[in-house]
Amino acid sequence: AQSVTQLDSQVPVFEEAPVELRCNYSSSVSVYLFWYVQYPNQGLQLLLKYLSGSTLVKGINGFEAEFNKSQTSFHLRKPSVHISDTAEYFCAAKGSGYALNFGKGTSLLVTP
Amino acid sequence: DGGITQSPKYLFRKEGQNVTLSCEQNLNHDAMYWYRQDPGQGLRLIYYSQIVNDFQKGDIAEGYSVSREKKESFPLTVTSAQKNPTAFYLCASSILQLGSNEQFFGPGTRLTVL
Repeated sequence: AQSVTQLDSQVPVFEEAPVELRCNYSSSVSVYLFWYVQYPNQGLQLLLKYLSGSTLVKGINGFEAEFNKSQTSFHLRKPSVHISDTAEYFCAAKGSGYALNFGKGTSLLVTP
Repeated sequence: DGGITQSPKYLFRKEGQNVTLSCEQNLNHDAMYWYRQDPGQGLRLIYYSQIVNDFQKGDIAEGYSVSREKKESFPLTVTSAQKNPTAFYLCASSILQLGSNEQFFGPGTRLTVL
């Protein structure tokens, strides 16, 4: 099973600025990584996933993430954020069986 | 539309009472999961099931019980033994295919103990 660390609990950013949300994982076996977004009082929605292949993964809403095996990281990026991107973001990795281990989340706050 | 439904959206419970949260999916997924979400703690796995009539404890199963009598249903009972049940509860489902752990989530149930 893999554990996941999200390095920032809150990230404030101005609208139209770039943003990076950091995620590190620990594992010595095959890696399956995910980023989910959660809007207030809602369930989680998948942004993107890395299973294998290209290390740059593109997701929905203009987000992308880069898998870096040497640094055991899977940081999420967006070149220009919108107010509507304000939400909680979770990094996750394969856990026991088919379950996922989630990080504690990063709250992204976009202000005008 | 295919998806996962959870009911109720909000639930209030008096101390000492058991309460059952509903989770239904029509995605034909074999696996279902229950997570608990607390502020600043992320999601923690309570129980999961990969097949009907079988389920496994997750990281924080104490004070909770589940059943899986039908493939599409995975109800969670919060018992009086759960000392701090106030939280947001999320149900999820997935296919059972090695290399694809993507989970689909329901909208959640917010439980408040009065």
